[in-house]
Amino acid sequence: EDQVTQSPEALRLQEGESSSLNCSYTVSGLRGLFWYRQDPGKGPEFLFTLYSAGEEKEKERLKATLTKKESFLHITAPKPEDSATYLCAVREINSGGGADGLTFGKGTHLIIQP
Amino acid sequence: ETGVTQTPRHLVMGMTNKKSLKCEQHLGHNAMYWYKQSAKKPLELMFVYNFKEQTENNSVPSRFSPECPNSSHLFLHLHTLQPEDSALYLCASSQERLGIHEQFFGPGTRLTVL
Repeated sequence: EDQVTQSPEALRLQEGESSSLNCSYTVSGLRGLFWYRQDPGKGPEFLFTLYSAGEEKEKERLKATLTKKESFLHITAPKPEDSATYLCAVREINSGGGADGLTFGKGTHLIIQP
Repeated sequence: ETGVTQTPRHLVMGMTNKKSLKCEQHLGHNAMYWYKQSAKKPLELMFVYNFKEQTENNSVPSRFSPECPNSSHLFLHLHTLQPEDSALYLCASSQERLGIHEQFFGPGTRLTVL
């Protein structure tokens, strides 16, 4: 069973048309949930970290929220330059306390048409 | 140089070749990671290094051999690869301290195995 599921797989919006991307997760203990943006041929670019349910973070036209089962990335009045693949990842609580890898979803491919 | 750099950016190799991927982070972080990104699949964690010590090997075939000589450099040595190993290989780093866990990614090496 996938630990991180993102929906929709692809989304096409008109410039200025607000929408939300979903990331649902199943982990025994959440240490953090991360949102990244990835442009074609490039590495993921860090956007937000959310640690606990109810937390919200904003950056320009993007707002990320977190509940106990899912996270949303809200895009308000998007512009064509917001077109990218948005990745969600989780990090489980590591009893060892050291560095640990992230578990990623497959991403949402977002296209903003002018 | 800033952030996380990776060389080469593109690599084409035959199945009998031996090559190495290099990653360098200029962020003063103490943990480094290798991920594999294949088409239509989520990013897959390969290796984790914490303070130069390998703390995770995510069931990666032995034809991939990591090396971390210090906290700023990470290598991935490749030998006798298969065509299905063609993918984008991403390096990331993080600073493991209380409350701070974001991983920052390099641009990746696009590997093609013929």
